[in-house]
Amino acid sequence: AQSVTQLDSQVPVFEEAPVELRCNYSSSVSVYLFWYVQYPNQGLQLLLKYLSGSTLVKGINGFEAEFNKSQTSFHLRKPSVHISDTAEYFCAVSGEDDKIIFGKGTRLHILP
Amino acid sequence: GAVVSQHPSRVICKSGTSVKIECRSLDFQATTMFWYRQFPKQSLMLMATSNEGSKATYEQGVEKDKFLINHASLTLSTLTVTSAHPEDSSFYICSARFHLNTEAFFGQGTRLTVV
Repeated sequence: AQSVTQLDSQVPVFEEAPVELRCNYSSSVSVYLFWYVQYPNQGLQLLLKYLSGSTLVKGINGFEAEFNKSQTSFHLRKPSVHISDTAEYFCAVSGEDDKIIFGKGTRLHILP
Repeated sequence: GAVVSQHPSRVICKSGTSVKIECRSLDFQATTMFWYRQFPKQSLMLMATSNEGSKATYEQGVEKDKFLINHASLTLSTLTVTSAHPEDSSFYICSARFHLNTEAFFGQGTRLTVV
């Protein structure tokens, strides 16, 4: 079975500074990886996904992530954050059993 | 992206009554739909996976008789919380996928409060 670990429950960062949100996964089979963002009292919106191909994936709102198979990681990055990026970010993994399993989430807190 | 509509967005019900939550894929046919529960400031806990025309597969610890899931068509799944109690109060979110190993699209969520 697959699992996802997001080590940082909260990440404070100053506005216009770069940010990295960490995600590590475990799976015995080929995986498909996702990052979702959740704003308060809303559902989840897909930021980006890795299904196959290039390991550097670009998503919406200026985010990107790199799939690293040897380190079983899929860290999310943005070179310059904005106050509107304040939200909860979830890393997720899907394997051959069709389930999508989520990490515990990382709250991105933008400081003025 | 594809749109998943979840209704209602908020519901308050009395203890002992049942509540039905609908999840519709508006512009695509969803072979698989998922139901999640989210507690305040926590992650999404997968409750069950449903495929059109077959019984839902529940995760360990989720009561099948309490959380009834029906996936009657490729665009509609429903979650019925039967005999609701205050501890069932939570944020319930559905999601739908085109097919295996593509991204899932999420509904807006339903805030259930049982009083």
